[in-house]
Amino acid sequence: NAGVTQTPKFQVLKTGQSMTLQCAQDMNHEYMSWYRQDPGMGLRLIHYSVGAGITDQGEVPNGYNVSRSTTEDFPLRLLSAAPSQTSVYFCASSLDRDRVTYGYTFGSGTRLTVV
Amino acid sequence: AQKVTQAQTEISVVEKEDVTLDCVYETRDTTYYLFWYKQPPSGELVFLIRRNSFDEQNEISGRYSWNFQKSTSSFNFTITASQVVDSAVYFCALSEIYRGSTLGRLYFGRGTQLTVWP
Repeated sequence: NAGVTQTPKFQVLKTGQSMTLQCAQDMNHEYMSWYRQDPGMGLRLIHYSVGAGITDQGEVPNGYNVSRSTTEDFPLRLLSAAPSQTSVYFCASSLDRDRVTYGYTFGSGTRLTVV
Repeated sequence: AQKVTQAQTEISVVEKEDVTLDCVYETRDTTYYLFWYKQPPSGELVFLIRRNSFDEQNEISGRYSWNFQKSTSSFNFTITASQVVDSAVYFCALSEIYRGSTLGRLYFGRGTQLTVWP
């Protein structure tokens, strides 16, 4: 039972480079989301998905793209990295069964530095 | 305006002291969920509790207890007889219904850094 798996754990990018942060869950959770954590700011929602083929923007979506082609995977794409995207990124998943939300399960995070 | 306010940025206590972490939230929904998460120095986020808006009963789990008061829009967290291992950042979060789903957007407070000294 792996839970939510994020890769890579660390990444350094140069300004303008692109990359994809991977997130996979094996719990058959409908809901998946991406957050970024910056010092003193808590976690802020980037994008989320309530099921395969359905995505929506969160609080800070600019500069990021997502897609949800399968229930298990929810990759986050940075098309042209900027220093302002230096952050720790967390992926989370959850299940909404009979309108009862369970706790969100978070991955271990990806520490991204853009130079 | 922030939906979740954790006014205490940092708290320091000595081991065995009781400590309360405050959380005030803002929502217009009648159905919503409140959460507490712990982030130890290792960085992972650990789920502590989920509470729905219709359940105002206080909850106790070992040394942890939570006080939910809709009248003051607060969901405070108390650690009794604190231990060094409780040192972490604690986040309060709010989930509202969005597009008909209870899995709406999860809004986090900015966190409270708790340091427990031996």
